[in-house]
Amino acid sequence: QQPVQSPQAVILREGEDAVINCSSSKALYSVHWYRQKHGEAPVFLMILLKGGEQKGHEKISASFNEKKQQSSLYLTASQLSYSGTYFCGTEGVRGTDYKLSFGAGTTVTVRA
Amino acid sequence: DVKVTQSSRYLVKRTGEKVFLECVQDMDHENMFWYRQDPGLGLRLIYFSYDVKMKEKGDIPEGYSVSREKKERFSLILESASTNQTSMYLCASQVNYGYTFGSGTRLTVV
Repeated sequence: QQPVQSPQAVILREGEDAVINCSSSKALYSVHWYRQKHGEAPVFLMILLKGGEQKGHEKISASFNEKKQQSSLYLTASQLSYSGTYFCGTEGVRGTDYKLSFGAGTTVTVRA
Repeated sequence: DVKVTQSSRYLVKRTGEKVFLECVQDMDHENMFWYRQDPGLGLRLIYFSYDVKMKEKGDIPEGYSVSREKKERFSLILESASTNQTSMYLCASQVNYGYTFGSGTRLTVV
């Protein structure tokens, strides 16, 4: 079952912050985050494996609340290069379900 | 860096044709995946494979099959193409934990 992402789209000015949420109805082993620029393949940003653990990529960080089966991606002091569509991918309990289910995506537009 | 290569960037096929989409990765990874991407729906898993000659159905396998005769190559087959299979098809290989995607094949069935 696909996770639910919100919001569907967000428009930012350079330097502003944004949060993208990802919620699943099933128990999760991990959450992945990917960014896809127009006409390109999705690119892996980070993976979160433990509840409450935060990871970072440039000024992009994420958290994973294992109990709530939710993850959030934080875009801090956004740059023009952050524009693109962000996808979360969720992995169920490892050992029985290795594959990722992706959300519908959140389109981020950063303007000068 | 891992490279995942999809043989065609754009394809136009006729309804009823048998279509082969090829994907090759260069790092001897065991796990490979086929997704289709449609606006508003994100990426949906069609089939995946953990090893040679091994395959498992994903969430939307109807109308598709796969072949994995060699570890580096994972092929997606549309047995009889239909217009509702017009989509962007993405192949991925698993690199440790993260996926590396190919550049995609945009298939149009007319």
